Amino acid sequence: KNQVEQSPQSLIILEGKNCTLQCNYTVSPFSNLRWYKQDTGRGPVSLTIMTFSENTKSNGRYTATLDADTKQSSLHITASQLSDSASYICVVSDLMFSGGYNKLIFGAGTRLAVHP
Amino acid sequence: NAGVMQNPRHLVRRRGQEARLRCSPMKGHSHVYWYRQLPEEGLKFMVYLQKENIIDESGMPKERFSAEFPKEGPSILRIQQVVRGDSAAYFCASSPPQGGNSPLHFGNGTRLTVT
Repeated sequence: KNQVEQSPQSLIILEGKNCTLQCNYTVSPFSNLRWYKQDTGRGPVSLTIMTFSENTKSNGRYTATLDADTKQSSLHITASQLSDSASYICVVSDLMFSGGYNKLIFGAGTRLAVHP
Repeated sequence: NAGVMQNPRHLVRRRGQEARLRCSPMKGHSHVYWYRQLPEEGLKFMVYLQKENIIDESGMPKERFSAEFPKEGPSILRIQQVVRGDSAAYFCASSPPQGGNSPLHFGNGTRLTVT
């Protein structure tokens, strides 16, 4: 079973609308949760990083939330733009106690399409 | 201030040939990670290296795959005797020495096609 599950798999919204993407994880213990944006044919780009003690983190129109008790996170995109069309990937850091090395476990991503 | 550089961007190999993928980390980064991405799937960890050392290769197949990060020069992911199942996008990422909660910076990947 995948340790990081994202929903929905894909989403279509109209430009200017808001949307929320979900992430459920079972990784434990974890040290941080990250959201990345991946444009087609490009590498992922970091949007937010939250430690287990943080509840929310914003980066412009992107706001991530984290509930470490229920092991859920969400990424909210406000006033979507055409350039927001991409895959959004939830990544959980599986803390291995060997020199503080964090092994990242990636979700399969949510593919967002913003239409005019 | 160049980001993580990967080359080539696209690589086509026939079954049985060797594939060499190169990754130059960001300036000042001494930690390199390699990931593989199949279509419609998430990135899968392959190997984590620091300069001249392999720290964790638990995600890399034991046969045909090898990785290195020499003192000088880029990190290399080498796939010997490629098979069709090796076709994928291979991403390299780097981070500064402090690791931990530092963000990973990804290159734009090498897309390997095995014919």
